[in-house]
Amino acid sequence: DIQMTQSPSAMSASVGDRVTITCRASQGISDYVAWFQQKPGKVPKRLIYGSSSLQSGVPSRFSGSGSGTEFTLTISSLQPEDFATYYCLQHNSFAFGQGTRLEIK
Amino acid sequence: QITLKESGPTLVKPTQTLTLTCTFSGFSLSTSGVGVGWIRQPPGKALEWLALIYWDDDKRYSPSLKTRLTITKDTSKNQVVLTMTNMDPVDTATYYCAHSSYFDSGDFDPWGQGTLVTVSS
Repeated sequence: DIQMTQSPSAMSASVGDRVTITCRASQGISDYVAWFQQKPGKVPKRLIYGSSSLQSGVPSRFSGSGSGTEFTLTISSLQPEDFATYYCLQHNSFAFGQGTRLEIK
Repeated sequence: QITLKESGPTLVKPTQTLTLTCTFSGFSLSTSGVGVGWIRQPPGKALEWLALIYWDDDKRYSPSLKTRLTITKDTSKNQVVLTMTNMDPVDTATYYCAHSSYFDSGDFDPWGQGTLVTVSS
């Protein structure tokens, strides 16, 4: 089974900051990665699919990149509503990363 | 519009078998490329993928839980059923079902609202 190692597990940042979250796969998985945002008590919301395609309706400050074993989610300029937990998912053989809790500094 | 909804018991006793049903609309599990998956999330913890069934009855299971899980589909009822045997308090979690399609990207979107299952005697 292919594991996804997500980092960092938590971080604090300020409104306007640029933030990058990384997931590393234990084996190559092409571009079979999606990114989700989850707010407390809410259902996870897909932000990115196919490693770099932006989900319809998601602000363009969110972007994804990567192929093979290393993938990143970038938020170009943090907004107050972006403070949440983020998860990567590899859907080659299906496994989530451990999550990144993004908090306000 | 695709919607999914999970149903089942909110409380199960240790060693019992959990049966959850995902009832969906807006797509058919007889359509090529379509699947329905199950994901769970213990309180305050990360998401964990459990199982996935495709239109052609291909089934995938989490390696760590495969001996306890069974996933089936009833295409005529637009339902997918997940059973998990030998429940333990560590299985307390919100259980989600979600749509998957090769013609989208193969991951999970959208998701159901989730159902909280507590394991306690």
